[in-house]
Amino acid sequence: GAGVSQSPRYKVTKRGQDVALRCDPISGHVSLYWYRQALGQGPEFLTYFNYEAQQDKSGLPNDRFSAERPEGSISTLTIQRTEQRDSAMYRCASSITGFADTQYFGPGTRLTVL
Amino acid sequence: GIQVEQSPPDLILQEGANSTLRCNFSDSVNNLQWFHQNPWGQLINLFYIPSGTKQNGRLSATTVATERYSLLYISSSQTTDSGVYFCAVSAGTALIFGKGTTLSVSS
Repeated sequence: GAGVSQSPRYKVTKRGQDVALRCDPISGHVSLYWYRQALGQGPEFLTYFNYEAQQDKSGLPNDRFSAERPEGSISTLTIQRTEQRDSAMYRCASSITGFADTQYFGPGTRLTVL
Repeated sequence: GIQVEQSPPDLILQEGANSTLRCNFSDSVNNLQWFHQNPWGQLINLFYIPSGTKQNGRLSATTVATERYSLLYISSSQTTDSGVYFCAVSAGTALIFGKGTTLSVSS
């Protein structure tokens, strides 16, 4: 597709369940980023991939959060044993190469944990 | 890490008015982007502007890297300009976002 796509767009889950959020970056973009955006705030960095390598995961809040990009294209962000504080908009972005390039954001997945 | 401050936090305009949004940052950057988050939550790229001046229709932006600030100009505002405007910067790290300016344009 022409832009970054994410699925699902909305996810409602019960506390304690695992969720998997998918990101399909712009074709040919080497770098992929995950951000989390709380209501009324700007996005905050979670993790970054260069091709399939996870180069930086310093923003992941705890070990319940993990991400992968096994073939250097589609990425999955997994949250295990969800908690209510995990409720947020999860945004994916991609860029042609690294941090100095324009990052293009997807529509986001709105996660609600009940 | 880099600090990003945006002003004003809120702005209310009548349709047709002009406005200037400001972004100050605390260190040298190699990426600066302006985004518009519309009322439906989409985060739309406006400008990639680590330095210099760019224009796109009614919007223009200027970044003075040596003085560590960027300005976003909106001319002849329309109701569709409403939403939150974010400035985000990077210095070889992930983008760091400011808290945004919430713009409301009424007809």
